[in-house]
Amino acid sequence: AQSVTQLDSQVPVFEEAPVELRCNYSSSVSVYLFWYVQYPNQGLQLLLKYLSGSTLVKGINGFEAEFNKSQTSFHLRKPSVHISDTAEYFCAVTLAVGGYQKVTFGTGTKLQVIP
Amino acid sequence: SAVISQKPSRDICQRGTSLTIQCQVDSQVTMMFWYRQQPGQSLTLIATANQGSEATYESGFVIDKFPISRPNLTFSTLTVSNMSPEDSSIYLCSVEEGPYNEQFFGPGTRLTVL
Repeated sequence: AQSVTQLDSQVPVFEEAPVELRCNYSSSVSVYLFWYVQYPNQGLQLLLKYLSGSTLVKGINGFEAEFNKSQTSFHLRKPSVHISDTAEYFCAVTLAVGGYQKVTFGTGTKLQVIP
Repeated sequence: SAVISQKPSRDICQRGTSLTIQCQVDSQVTMMFWYRQQPGQSLTLIATANQGSEATYESGFVIDKFPISRPNLTFSTLTVSNMSPEDSSIYLCSVEEGPYNEQFFGPGTRLTVL
């Protein structure tokens, strides 16, 4: 069975500082990896995805993530955060189960950007 | 990408009552999904709703408690029946698009049960 681990439930960081949100997954087969962002009182929005090819993927709002197969990780990074990045971030893994794609979400990391 | 709306956006309900949540998509989709996001927790899939067939429920969720309708390719409802405070949660609907089944989410319905 697949699982997704986001070790940090909350990450405080000062504005304009870099940030890394960690995500590790466990799966014995190839997976697709996603990061979603949930702003306060809103639904989830796709931030970026890894499907295949280059292991460094770039998303919206200056975020990027690197797929590391040997470490089964897909950490999210941003070199300089802004107040508007304050939100909850979810890592997700998709794999094919019984002919359809099954999505598993991590427990989320709340990013708090401090002015 | 699909644009998804949900009604109501939030509600406060009494124990023992039921609430029906509506999900509208601006394009025709085969599968729609209902998730629950309890306070401080991640998303948990409740069920998958295909148009023209019974919804498929995940372990721990049953039709009597969470009946789902899917009358056409752009609309679905989820009812939370006989509510208790433990049902207080955000309920999200989503759809899949593209060859890699990216999920697109509605804004969610924030339910509080007293």
